[in-house]
Amino acid sequence: DAGVTQSPTHLIKTRGQQVTLRCSPKSGHDTVSWYQQALGQGPQFIFQYYEEEERQRGNFPDRFSGHQFPNYSSELNVNALLLGDSALYLCASSLGTIKELFFGSGTQLSVL
Amino acid sequence: RKEVEQDPGPFNVPEGATVAFNCTYSNSASQSFFWYRQDCRKEPKLLMSVYSSGNEDGRFTAQLNRASQYISLLIRDSKLSDSATYLCVVLNNAGNMLTFGGGTRLMVKP
Repeated sequence: DAGVTQSPTHLIKTRGQQVTLRCSPKSGHDTVSWYQQALGQGPQFIFQYYEEEERQRGNFPDRFSGHQFPNYSSELNVNALLLGDSALYLCASSLGTIKELFFGSGTQLSVL
Repeated sequence: RKEVEQDPGPFNVPEGATVAFNCTYSNSASQSFFWYRQDCRKEPKLLMSVYSSGNEDGRFTAQLNRASQYISLLIRDSKLSDSATYLCVVLNNAGNMLTFGGGTRLMVKP
């Protein structure tokens, strides 16, 4: 039973560029949440996708956008990258009402 | 004020010690509460849920005080393998979003 998978594992970009991160949820899960984790801090909620729509959004600018596909996989897009976007981006999946999130191992994004 | 607040630590304790972490949350309508564990450079994983009556899982005991909006985690007989960051997590009243605290780092020394 495959868990949550994310790609790529590491990424280096320069300011102003755009990036797309990908996530496949745990088998049987229908909800995908994205979190940003800066060094030494807890994960910060970006948004959540369910039935291919953004169901909930955290306090992140419109530069952060996402998508969920019919197979429940998801993408996170960040435009006009800033140095402050450097962080570990975590994808988490769940089924129905959230009682437990299963996280992928994350994508480490470095913006130079 | 942050929605979920924790002492970042680090807590440095010897093997066998008992250590307690605290967490406060701001939204009194929050529905459910959890402790997650995160090892260095790894993803967070659920450690245990926190129930109103308090609950225990082996060496770990979680307590919730809704009146004070306070959650605690007690670890008895600390092991080297308990070294990690412990994240306090709160489920919102709509039941669709988990908010994480900043984490408390624990280092257990021989």
